[in-house]
Amino acid sequence: EDKVVQSPLSLVVHEGDTVTLNCSYEVTNFRSLLWYKQEKKAPTFLFMLTSSGIEKKSGRLSSILDKKELFSILNITATQTGDSAIYLCAVAGSNYQLIWGAGTKLIIKP
Amino acid sequence: NAGVTQTPKFQVLKTGQSMTLQCAQDMNHEYMSWYRQDPGMGLRLIHYSVGAGITDQGEVPNGYNVSRSTTEDFPLRLLSAAPSQTSVYFCASSSGAGLWYGYTFGSGTRLTVV
Repeated sequence: EDKVVQSPLSLVVHEGDTVTLNCSYEVTNFRSLLWYKQEKKAPTFLFMLTSSGIEKKSGRLSSILDKKELFSILNITATQTGDSAIYLCAVAGSNYQLIWGAGTKLIIKP
Repeated sequence: NAGVTQTPKFQVLKTGQSMTLQCAQDMNHEYMSWYRQDPGMGLRLIHYSVGAGITDQGEVPNGYNVSRSTTEDFPLRLLSAAPSQTSVYFCASSSGAGLWYGYTFGSGTRLTVV
C-alpha cells in the first residue's frame, strides 16, 4: 500500500532557528513529490521535486529529494512567526492521485 | 481570476440531511478532486475527475456522490449526513499537463454534522 510519512508531527522552535522537516515515502510509480504550506485555510504550493539531489530554493525555504532512500527534506532557515503553519508533503504516483502525509505542525515562538 | 471557488464556507447539518458542496474553477483545468481533512490524518481523496463526464472514487468515497457535467463545476453531494462526515472539505483542480505540478485549492468548507 502506498504511504507517505512525515516527521515530526509537531515542532516548536524560537524565531531565528533553523528547522528541518522530513517526508519519507513508499509509492508505486513515483512521479513527483510536492510540498505545501497550510495556514488557516487551503494548502498553498511550495515546491515540486522530481529528480534526486537537485535543491529547490525559495527565499529561506529549500527542499531536496533522495529517490534512492525515498525521502525528502524541507529546510527553513532564520524562521519567522509567519512560518508557523502545517507543512504537507504529497507524492504523485499512478492514476492521477496524490498520496498525502499527515503533515508537520510548525510553531514559531517570538 | 477567481481560481477555485467553494461554497458554502461553513455548514451545520443534522444527521440524515443531504446537501451539496459546490466547487467551480475558471482556469479550464481538466483535473478536479475533492478531499476531506481531519486532524492528524492529512488530506484524503474522496472522488476525482479527469474531465467532463468522467469521475472515479478515491480513498474514502462512501456516503458521497459527484458528477462532472461541465469542465468548470464539480459538486460533491452528501447523501445522508453522518457525524463521521464532520470535517473540512477541499476542492482542488489542476491542468492535465501540469498535474504533477500540484493543485490549486479552494478555500474549504467546514462541515459539522450533529
